[in-house]
Amino acid sequence: ELKVEQNPLFLSMQEGKNYTIYCNYSTTSDRLYWYRQDPGKSLESLFVLLSNGAVKQEGRLMASLDTKARLSTLHITAAVHDLSATYFCAVASPNSGGSNYKLTFGKGTLLTVNP
Amino acid sequence: DGGITQSPKYLFRKEGQNVTLSCEQNLNHDAMYWYRQDPGQGLRLIYYSQIVNDFQKGDIAEGYSVSREKKESFPLTVTSAQKNPTAFYLCASNGGRGWSNQPQHFGDGTRLSIL
Repeated sequence: ELKVEQNPLFLSMQEGKNYTIYCNYSTTSDRLYWYRQDPGKSLESLFVLLSNGAVKQEGRLMASLDTKARLSTLHITAAVHDLSATYFCAVASPNSGGSNYKLTFGKGTLLTVNP
Repeated sequence: DGGITQSPKYLFRKEGQNVTLSCEQNLNHDAMYWYRQDPGQGLRLIYYSQIVNDFQKGDIAEGYSVSREKKESFPLTVTSAQKNPTAFYLCASNGGRGWSNQPQHFGDGTRLSIL
């Protein structure tokens, strides 16, 4: 059974600081996704990481994937208040029949950026 | 605009009652998914469907049922057998050209509460 662990689960940062969220998973996968969720809202896709060594950047967020270590990181640079949200990583495993994939989510990291 | 529409936004269930949550997509996606989110938790997979007239149980299918009679629609019924149905329910889809490189797209969710 695939298990996905995120840490930390709660992160309070000051504006302008850097920090990293970690996502570890228990079985082999070559695809990992990061999502953002604002309070009471749906999930918004941030990054799709499709291979070992993949690195994607968008604004102040950068995500990477190490499939050998079964680890993904989401790095926040010079945080701003607008980044306050819950961030989820999700690891893909094949659907039965292998024609698509299903996701196993971590519990999420609640990020609060303070002025 | 293409997207996923979930309705209703809020739903209340009485004891012993079945309720049905609607999910419709106009993205021409083959695969559709239902997730449950509890406060402070990640998403857990209830059911998924890869093609019309086919669906598979996810990790927490007990007390739920689905149907997939049309490609666009994947309704979820929360039966009276589900003893703790209060949660936020999210529908997702993916598929089409290049599906393996695409994230799952999510609807805005239905919040279900017990009366």
